[in-house]
Amino acid sequence: GQQLNQSPQSMFIQEGEDVSMNCTSSSIFNTWLWYKQDPGEGPVLLIALYKAGELTSNGRLTAQFGITRKDSFLNISASIPSDVGIYFCAGPPAAGNKLTFGGGTRVLVKP
Amino acid sequence: NAGVTQTPKFQVLKTGQSMTLQCAQDMNHEYMSWYRQDPGMGLRLIHYSVGAGITDQGEVPNGYNVSRSTTEDFPLRLLSAAPSQTSVYFCASSPSGPGANVLTFGAGSRLTVL
Repeated sequence: GQQLNQSPQSMFIQEGEDVSMNCTSSSIFNTWLWYKQDPGEGPVLLIALYKAGELTSNGRLTAQFGITRKDSFLNISASIPSDVGIYFCAGPPAAGNKLTFGGGTRVLVKP
Repeated sequence: NAGVTQTPKFQVLKTGQSMTLQCAQDMNHEYMSWYRQDPGMGLRLIHYSVGAGITDQGEVPNGYNVSRSTTEDFPLRLLSAAPSQTSVYFCASSPSGPGANVLTFGAGSRLTVL
């Protein structure tokens, strides 16, 4: 079954806000990937992390590979309306090689 | 460079009908896979292939068949559709070696089974 737990499941953003989401696993991961899915499209890779403790940025996005290798975090700074979508964490467990995805964090704009 | 192309984009089936979702990639990727996406469940792996002539089951393979006769194509077959197979299906591919886990996804195929 699914091994990755993402939180929150959904969140509302206001333009200019910083937002954070995380992903935790019951097993050790060697690689953490963060994908974003826009409505009606397939997921697109945002950031890939390959080493425990690694901190990587892609524009306003920053992701970290947790020291325990069982978690990862994604931060979006100064959010804009086009940040809306579903963010997925993913990775291959150390004991296997099939990519596992979290349930996703749905980012919505505050009304 | 088209990347990963899926057809059809939308399909409605009646219970018991069969159909094939097509997937093609032009990046010479060895690894190809099929996922289904359901609300709150994330993406679940159905079947995958590490090269032409080689396929294996993922997390939710029941009710689906695949084959990989060429590097480019990886069709997903539903032999007797059931309402539980109503979902959005994504095909993805990646190279082998470095970057093997960095998937490129198609735009998805939305299937409704009545």
